[in-house]
Amino acid sequence: QKEVEQNSGPLSVPEGAIASLNCTYSDRGSQSFFWYRQYSGKSPELIMSIYSNGDKEDGRFTAQLNKASQYVSLLIRDSQPSDSATYLCAVNHDMRFGAGTRLTVKP
Amino acid sequence: DGGITQSPKYLFRKEGQNVTLSCEQNLNHDAMYWYRQDPGQGLRLIYYSQIVNDFQKGDIAEGYSVSREKKESFPLTVTSAQKNPTAFYLCASSIGSGAMNTEAFFGQGTRLTVV
Repeated sequence: QKEVEQNSGPLSVPEGAIASLNCTYSDRGSQSFFWYRQYSGKSPELIMSIYSNGDKEDGRFTAQLNKASQYVSLLIRDSQPSDSATYLCAVNHDMRFGAGTRLTVKP
Repeated sequence: DGGITQSPKYLFRKEGQNVTLSCEQNLNHDAMYWYRQDPGQGLRLIYYSQIVNDFQKGDIAEGYSVSREKKESFPLTVTSAQKNPTAFYLCASSIGSGAMNTEAFFGQGTRLTVV
């Protein structure tokens, strides 16, 4: 069974700090990787997509992909209380998700 | 406006009844997905379809059925065989170009309660 695993959390960081979220996957042939944010009771919304090894930056968010080690991570710089949500990692054409990591940013 | 629509938003059913959740998209996406989310949990894949008239089981397909007769529509039936159907159900779609996929767009979800 193809698996996507995330650090279980919950994760709590002070405002202004860097939050680091990690995801590993079992299917070595995976080529598409996504990070979503989900607020309580709402649908997930895309933060980042990444397809190639290395880093991809978008504002305060950086996604990092290492296909050899089969992990993808998300860094949130200058964390804000509005970043408090559950972050979900999704992999590949069948869009399998990890269990999510709940992040709380404390003012 | 293009998007993905799930209906209804809230649904109540008696135990032992089958119920069908609607999912429609006008994004011209090939791939569609159904997920189940329980409180405090992630999204678990029920079924997905990459093309009309074809679909694959996800990780928790038992007790569920789907059809994909039209590109725009991917209804999910929760059957009486599903032991614990009360959950939040999310439908999504993506361009779905084989191994290289693009982001999934989500509907607003259907919260099913079985009493």
